[in-house]
Amino acid sequence: NAGVTQTPKFQVLKTGQSMTLQCAQDMNHNSMYWYRQDPGMGLRLIYYSASEGTTDKGEVPNGYNVSRLNKREFSLRLESAAPSQTSVYFCASPLGAGQETQYFGPGTRLLVL
Amino acid sequence: DQQVKQNSPSLSVQEGRISILNCDYTNSMFDYFLWYKKYPAEGPTFLISISSIKDKNEDGRFTVFLNKSAKHLSLHIVPSQPGDSAVYFCAALYNFNKFYFGSGTKLNVKP
Repeated sequence: NAGVTQTPKFQVLKTGQSMTLQCAQDMNHNSMYWYRQDPGMGLRLIYYSASEGTTDKGEVPNGYNVSRLNKREFSLRLESAAPSQTSVYFCASPLGAGQETQYFGPGTRLLVL
Repeated sequence: DQQVKQNSPSLSVQEGRISILNCDYTNSMFDYFLWYKKYPAEGPTFLISISSIKDKNEDGRFTVFLNKSAKHLSLHIVPSQPGDSAVYFCAALYNFNKFYFGSGTKLNVKP
């Protein structure tokens, strides 16, 4: 039982390149979330998915797209990476049966040059 | 505009003493408040939470206090241990589906 897994762990991109960050959870939960963490800003919600087939914007969705492929997987795509997207990205899913806490993956460090 | 604020970027405490981390929020409609702990190069881990209808929740060395009139919550760690050294994030849950996080407070517990 791995909880929430993310790939890759680290990525370097050039400005304008595209990439997809992958997230999977094995807890059979409906909700999944993508956050970015920047110094002095805490974690900011990019997109979330309340259930399979649905996605909603968070605080900072611009420049990103998401896909809730199935109940287990929620991917985050950068179509044309910009240096402002250099950040650490975390995927999360509810910790238990309720929605009031979250379990985070280990994070993906992204550097856009 | 940040809805959840942690105004102290860092805090240093002696081992065995009390650590008090503070958090302010602006939205009176939040359902739950939570504290997460984060070590470098790891994802945040859930520490303790409190429902908006309560004013205190205790779990071992950790106690969270909620003052709704002041829109303020705090995390007390007693006694503090060197292993508690980490970044602590305050978070609030809105409509049971959106979380808002503060910017974090780095706690250093000195041996």
